[in-house]
Amino acid sequence: DIVMTQTPLSLSVTPGQPASISCKSSQPLLSSDGKTLFYWYLQKPGQPPQLLIYEVSKRFSGVPDRFSGSGSGTDFTLKISRVEAEDVGVYYCMHALHFPLTFGGGTKVEIK
Amino acid sequence: EVQLVESGGALVQPGGSLRISCAASGFTFSDHYMDWVRQAPGKGLEWVGHIGHKADSYTTYYAASVKGRFTVSRDDSENSVYLQMNSLKTEDTAVYFCVRDSMYGARDYWGQGTLVTVSS
Repeated sequence: DIVMTQTPLSLSVTPGQPASISCKSSQPLLSSDGKTLFYWYLQKPGQPPQLLIYEVSKRFSGVPDRFSGSGSGTDFTLKISRVEAEDVGVYYCMHALHFPLTFGGGTKVEIK
Repeated sequence: EVQLVESGGALVQPGGSLRISCAASGFTFSDHYMDWVRQAPGKGLEWVGHIGHKADSYTTYYAASVKGRFTVSRDDSENSVYLQMNSLKTEDTAVYFCVRDSMYGARDYWGQGTLVTVSS
């Protein structure tokens, strides 16, 4: 199984400041069709996860452009250019290269 | 608007069985693969199972932790996907989410979840 390792476990961010979350996979996530099957989700308190980023860097519909994803191979990063109060919650990375799908352990983002 | 609504969560004794359901609307259900993902209280996300669509003979895949005990099925005429859970263990206690596969790998829409509690 592919292991997804997220860092840090938690972040406390001042509104308006940037934030960055890292995720490393135990093997490359490049599929046979050339796509990298890596995703970022945000689970706000009391809600189901919501898709933020797909295929490393593509923002899902309605996701603000302060969220950006980057990376390749086994190393990936989610950046929030200016954190807002509504960005609090737990961020998860996930791969979909093959079954089983696996998630990172999560990064809890709080506002200072 | 895409909607996924789970139902059927309950308190079940260890060793018992339960079937939970997910009703889909707002999209062509039969075109999409579907997944179940669970979240134990205060814990992270764990993928549980997957079902394909008619074109791939409704192929299923399961997490090792549930294989042989859980079965994913679907009824395209009812726009619904199901999770039959047998031989339930206390460690199966979780909120179970129904999740749509976007057809490009992203699990793009999630239901609100249904709570399954396994306890004596």
